[in-house]
Amino acid sequence: QQQVKQSPQSLIVQKGGISIINCAYENTAFDYFPWYQQFPGKGPALLIAIRPDVSEKKEGRFTISFNKSAKQFSLHIMDSQPGDSATYFCAASGQARGSTLGRLYFGRGTQLTVWP
Amino acid sequence: DTGVSQDPRHKITKRGQNVTFRCDPISEHNRLYWYRQTLGQGPEFLTYFQNEAQLEKSRLLSDRFSAERPKGSFSTLEIQRTEQGDSAMYLCASRTTGNNSPLHFGNGTRLTVT
Repeated sequence: QQQVKQSPQSLIVQKGGISIINCAYENTAFDYFPWYQQFPGKGPALLIAIRPDVSEKKEGRFTISFNKSAKQFSLHIMDSQPGDSATYFCAASGQARGSTLGRLYFGRGTQLTVWP
Repeated sequence: DTGVSQDPRHKITKRGQNVTFRCDPISEHNRLYWYRQTLGQGPEFLTYFQNEAQLEKSRLLSDRFSAERPKGSFSTLEIQRTEQGDSAMYLCASRTTGNNSPLHFGNGTRLTVT
């Protein structure tokens, strides 16, 4: 069972546009929601993360929006650049008893292509 | 480079052979994780160490898989009697103790079983 559902599977955006990737989860024990960026042949790299006590977090061109009641969160990439072309993964983890401390559950990824 | 290091980067083996991968985490990180990633999928959890203790194994980790972290530093993942379905990227990650401290991934070992 997929703990974190991610959409879309692929996304094509023109340079300068806004890229939006969405994720949804069911487990209310999750309390940490990172986004990872992965280039071909490389491991995932942490991009930005949020906790459910805030509804938005911004770092440079990257913003996470979090809706606790809907159990959804999204990544917005403003002024998208060709160098942003990569696969993006949302993830979630929790501190609930019985869960592996820090174990991340990943979405299936979104392949972003930014056309120049 | 003080990131997570994995060796080898690529491994091609014939079905039935044994393979072993190594991971060197970031030096002060006491938590170490192994994940597996297949094409078009997100990483899937395999196992987790806190220092030298293996605290959890996923059901994905069949009896042919074994992982160790003998001195609480580097870790090895061995796959015995490899099968074609084992072909994947094997990722190692580490983090410090701390509430949701960032998880740092290595660049993985790409295994191809022919």
